[in-house]
Amino acid sequence: AQSVTQLDSQVPVFEEAPVELRCNYSSSVSVYLFWYVQYPNQGLQLLLKYLSGSTLVKGINGFEAEFNKSQTSFHLRKPSVHISDTAEYFCAVSGYNFNKFYFGSGTKLNVKP
Amino acid sequence: ETGVTQTPRHLVMGMTNKKSLKCEQHLGHNAMYWYKQSAKKPLELMFVYNFKEQTENNSVPSRFSPECPNSSHLFLHLHTLQPEDSALYLCASSQDSADTQYFGPGTRLTVL
Repeated sequence: AQSVTQLDSQVPVFEEAPVELRCNYSSSVSVYLFWYVQYPNQGLQLLLKYLSGSTLVKGINGFEAEFNKSQTSFHLRKPSVHISDTAEYFCAVSGYNFNKFYFGSGTKLNVKP
Repeated sequence: ETGVTQTPRHLVMGMTNKKSLKCEQHLGHNAMYWYKQSAKKPLELMFVYNFKEQTENNSVPSRFSPECPNSSHLFLHLHTLQPEDSALYLCASSQDSADTQYFGPGTRLTVL
């Protein structure tokens, strides 16, 4: 079975500092990878996705993620965070071979002034 | 974002009530999903519909009954719920079941 691991349940960071949210997945076949963001009392919004091609993917709000096949990782980064980035971030994996979405348990990013 | 809408946004119900949650997608997608999001728990996939056919039921109690009359609409009928069913219920849709999912804003359900 496929799985997605987000090791950090909470990440506190000061405003304008860089941040990395970690995501690892388990799959021996080709995958599609996604990051979603959820602001309080809202649904999930797609930040970025990797389907194929360049391993560095740029998304909305200045976020980017890098697909590393050898380490089965898809970490999310932002060089300088804002207070408005405070939210919960979910990593997800799917693929044409397994026809289903698997979500990680989420990482709460708390940006402090 | 109005691609996927959910009504109502908030619902409070007693354990003996019957209510329904509605989801509508305007994206021309073929797959629709119900998720349950409880505090301090991972996102739980409940049901998947692909071309109006239910393709997944993740051991959901029978007090939750989904209905998908067409590719654009998805309902979740609720009856005799328990307080532990209080959660945010999210609907999503995608072109097919491995494609990017687009989420609605959710219905915050409270069972008294």
